[in-house]
Amino acid sequence: EAGVAQSPRYKIIEKRQSVAFWCNPISGHATLYWYQQILGQGPKLLIQFQNNGVVDDSQLPKDRFSAERLKGVDSTLKIQPAKLEDSAVYLCASSLGTGGSYEQYFGPGTRLTVT
Amino acid sequence: AQKITQTQPGMFVQEKEAVTLDCTYDTSDQSYGLFWYKQPSSGEMIFLIYQGSYDEQNATEGRYSLNFQKARKSANLVISASQLGDSAMYFCAMRGWGAQKLVFGQGTRLTINP
Repeated sequence: EAGVAQSPRYKIIEKRQSVAFWCNPISGHATLYWYQQILGQGPKLLIQFQNNGVVDDSQLPKDRFSAERLKGVDSTLKIQPAKLEDSAVYLCASSLGTGGSYEQYFGPGTRLTVT
Repeated sequence: AQKITQTQPGMFVQEKEAVTLDCTYDTSDQSYGLFWYKQPSSGEMIFLIYQGSYDEQNATEGRYSLNFQKARKSANLVISASQLGDSAMYFCAMRGWGAQKLVFGQGTRLTINP
């Protein structure tokens, strides 16, 4: 079974530029998550999709971050314009179900550096 | 709201020794789940073990076991017979039963010395 795919793996941009990350979850997983992991910290949920609907985006900085999952499969996370504090690893995860014991499977992440 | 506390920023252990990674949590939920993830230098989060709040027995998965003490709100990870490949960051996380969001602790960096 193929795992969660993410691209690119690394990205370096200047502040005020825009950037987009792509995620393809495990086949059949209805729930997709985007996390931000700042160096030295645990991941923090940015947004969660159930199929193509948003379940939780309470910690997404909506003035600069946006995400979509148009066909309920792969997803794109965008930052526009980027700030220095956006430097982090962006992790995508998916799960078969929601809540309970359903584990989340994580992709390799995209390491973003904003200069 | 849930909160996870991992008080050990780093641990150094000799190969083949057992190691305990501490995790305490805070929640007002009656039902919840506790998870441990491993994050090697490659960056990917790897699921290790799960414990439900109503599970009477401590969870075990191979060399991993979870020492669950509900009254003390602790969920420590025990790795038996440590191996060099166990060197990584380890994160404790929890989720309320009805909630979707995983809340992670700050992590513990484990280094296994040969």
